[in-house]
Parts: sequence; C-alpha cells; structure tokens
Amino acid sequence: ETGVTQTPRHLVMGMTNKKSLKCEQHLGHNAMYWYKQSAKKPLELMFVYNFKEQTENNSVPSRFSPECPNSSHLFLHLHTLQPEDSALYLCASSQDLAYSNQPQHFGDGTRLSIL
Amino acid sequence: AQRVTQPEKLLSVFKGAPVELKCNYSYSGSPELFWYVQYSRQRLQLLLRHISRESIKGFTADLNKGETSFHLKKPFAQEEDSAMYYCAPSAHNFNKFYFGSGTKLNVKP
Repeated sequence: ETGVTQTPRHLVMGMTNKKSLKCEQHLGHNAMYWYKQSAKKPLELMFVYNFKEQTENNSVPSRFSPECPNSSHLFLHLHTLQPEDSALYLCASSQDLAYSNQPQHFGDGTRLSIL
Repeated sequence: AQRVTQPEKLLSVFKGAPVELKCNYSYSGSPELFWYVQYSRQRLQLLLRHISRESIKGFTADLNKGETSFHLKKPFAQEEDSAMYYCAPSAHNFNKFYFGSGTKLNVKP
C-alpha cells in the first residue's frame, strides 16, 4: 500500500542537530497531520494542515517546525530536540476537514531517537 | 472540553470469549466516531466508522446517544485481534483530532 509514505523510517540525532521528517501522500487528500506517539501518551496531535494552511498547533514547542508546501507533502523540521522528544512520529491525511465522515490514513511513522 | 475517553488501558480475554472495548464521548450534538486499530509492527488503520453501521473482522460498534458511548464489540475474540484500539471523533464534531488514549487488547490462547 502506498497511501501515506514517511521518510526516514528511523532517525537518530544529537540534541544540537537539525533534521527533517518527510511525509507524502498520493491519495488526493487536502488535510495532513502530525502526531507524536510515545509510551507515556499514546497518540498526541501536533499539527493540522488543510489546503496547505495550518489550522491547528497543539501547543507544540518551537523546536518542532512544520512545513506544508503543497497538499501532498508535509515536513517536520527538528532543531535542538530534547531526549523526551524521542518517540514515533506519525503522519496522516484525510480528504479535508469539511468531510467529517472521511477517516484519516496513517503512515508507518518515523522512529526518532535523541541522544 | 469535548473528548473521547477510553477507560481501559489493557483488556485481556481468552480466545473465544466476548470482548467489549469501551469508548465514551462528551459532545452535545450528533458525533461521528471511528475505531482505529494498530496491530504489532503495522500502521494505524481504520477499523470501522459508526456511520456505515458495518461489521469488520467480526467487530461492531453502536452509537448510544443516551449513554454517550461507542463501544466496540466482538462476540468471539481471536488471537489475531490482539492489538491497540483507538476511538476517535471526526474533525467536524470535535474540531480537534483528539484520539482516545487507546486500549490494548490481549487475546490469550
């Protein structure tokens, strides 16, 4: 299944590094999301984009910076992360926020480890 | 705040036993709710949505407005049902995609 593709699958970085996570979907969707999944809090919404416009920032620290250049691509730029940021980062997409009966499609996630 | 609540973190049943994963919501209107499942080493995926009133892999979920619940049920659990299950609202109803905290189902042989 192609659907929602996330790269890289695994990422190890130091606290001073800068890296980016990428998400791509070929489902023709217009809404895209970033979630954080960790052992302490199973699924935390981070950001929501609808037609490239950010509609939700769930009080995420500024060391996480999202970018949505078009409806098919979503990035999460990482800078000076903390050890507690180690988690699985999931990307999802849906048709758009106006279609409430349409579910979200998830990627496999990027497993991020902060040294 | 409008939320969905899954009160059980872990539910263990024996194979062949009935299973019910609980989900309660706080919303005054007519919610649209989903159940998602995450099997080991697989991506999170839609299991079923209440609007379609379908049975997927033997699971059903009925919206009970009186009890504000959307419990997931299966009459005879199978070992392959072992997974993490999340209850979630649609964006339209809740504006924010706050998933439930999830219930881990463990079906023992």
